[in-house]
Amino acid sequence: EPEVTQTPSHQVTQMGQEVILRCVPISNHLYFYWYRQILGQKVEFLVSFYNNEISEKSEIFDDQFSVERPDGSNFTLKIRSTKLEDSAMYFCASTGGVTDTQYFGPGTRLTVL
Amino acid sequence: AQSVTQPDIHITVSEGASLELRCNYSYGATPYLFWYVQSPGQGLQLLLKYFSGDTLVQGIKGFEAEFKRSQSSFNLRKPSVHWSDAAEYFCAVGARGSSNTGKLIFGQGTTLQVKP
Repeated sequence: EPEVTQTPSHQVTQMGQEVILRCVPISNHLYFYWYRQILGQKVEFLVSFYNNEISEKSEIFDDQFSVERPDGSNFTLKIRSTKLEDSAMYFCASTGGVTDTQYFGPGTRLTVL
Repeated sequence: AQSVTQPDIHITVSEGASLELRCNYSYGATPYLFWYVQSPGQGLQLLLKYFSGDTLVQGIKGFEAEFKRSQSSFNLRKPSVHWSDAAEYFCAVGARGSSNTGKLIFGQGTTLQVKP
């Protein structure tokens, strides 16, 4: 069964450093998402991406964040200058249609020191 | 604004007992409704979803959920819990309409512990 994959599974970085989280969505999907889950809190929507542009973003998704689909298979989330409060589990999801099931990857745990 | 409330942060049931996890939502119309499960170290797996039609929805692993418009609820049930059901359960809503981007709003989650 096709699945969403994410790399790395765990990323440790120093405050102020740039990180790139990578996702490979399911191959025929068209809509892509990033969510995050701070430890002990709810899963929060960050951004949705369709047709090579952002279709919606949350208040969390400020100028420090960016997304890209560089090569038609990968979908990346970049945090330009990480803060301590960016420490969280980041989930990528994809779907074939906005009302279809979203398939989630296993997540990347980001730890900012 | 859409919101989802899962009133029970933590529930413990005995193996073989029935289970009900509560979910209440706030939304101007009837949203799309989902239940996801997250096992430790795993991503989110869809258990079931409600889009329209029959308000009693069957899902995987023997779970079902009932949409009750009058109560703005979408509670998850299972008649007999197995030890492998121990996990975290998330209720989520998605918007309808032409501006829908597929964004999901999640509840806080309910951690299910199963006693032998």
